Amino acid sequence: QVQLVQSGAEVKEPGASVKVSCKASGYTFSSYGISWVRQAPGQGLEWMGWISPYNGKTSYVQNFQGRITMTTDTSTTTAYMELRSLRSDDTAVYYCGRDKSTSWYYFDYWGQGTLVTVSS
Amino acid sequence: DIVLTQSPGTLSLSPGERATLSCRASQSVSSNYLAWYQQKPGQAPRLLIYGASSRATGIPDRFSGSGSGTDFTLTISRLEPEDFAVYYCQQYATSLTFGGGTKVEI
Repeated sequence: QVQLVQSGAEVKEPGASVKVSCKASGYTFSSYGISWVRQAPGQGLEWMGWISPYNGKTSYVQNFQGRITMTTDTSTTTAYMELRSLRSDDTAVYYCGRDKSTSWYYFDYWGQGTLVTVSS
Repeated sequence: DIVLTQSPGTLSLSPGERATLSCRASQSVSSNYLAWYQQKPGQAPRLLIYGASSRATGIPDRFSGSGSGTDFTLTISRLEPEDFAVYYCQQYATSLTFGGGTKVEI
């Protein structure tokens, strides 16, 4: 069965970086893209960007340009999302979602979420 | 970016009733590239509908999606106790954006 298992909760100080992992299993990793979505406490969903494990192609939402890097490791079928220069308003649950391989569409499987808390 | 406005913000209904949720786009969503998700507290969203009207795998047929252009609807024909949750629409025609959500409560 398809599973996306994310790394555990993180607490970071403002200005630090965080790297969240998303371990995929139950399907051919390189045949699907991975998108990252975040949800601030009590708020809605915000798409951050997409990566293709097949060729490493990425697309980032402009709001995060310069602060975000998405990567994949096909040998371990794991996707990563690194967010730098963290601010208090980056406090959120971060989700990975399985997407299409060629572009961003919709997400048929999701990770369980990783809570990132930014606080001094 | 396409802005998606969901209404109502909260829908108060009883089990067995019909729920009609609206998602209006600020510009036309080409190819009906619109999806719906259900999210329960403390859980990740779950895909219900894609392509405006296609049910995702394992989704009961009491959930249906319709619409085109700028107006889309998610209908739950008869609410089951497990259907009380927050519902989000999402477009993937131009970049990718989510609506603000509709809470379906008892």
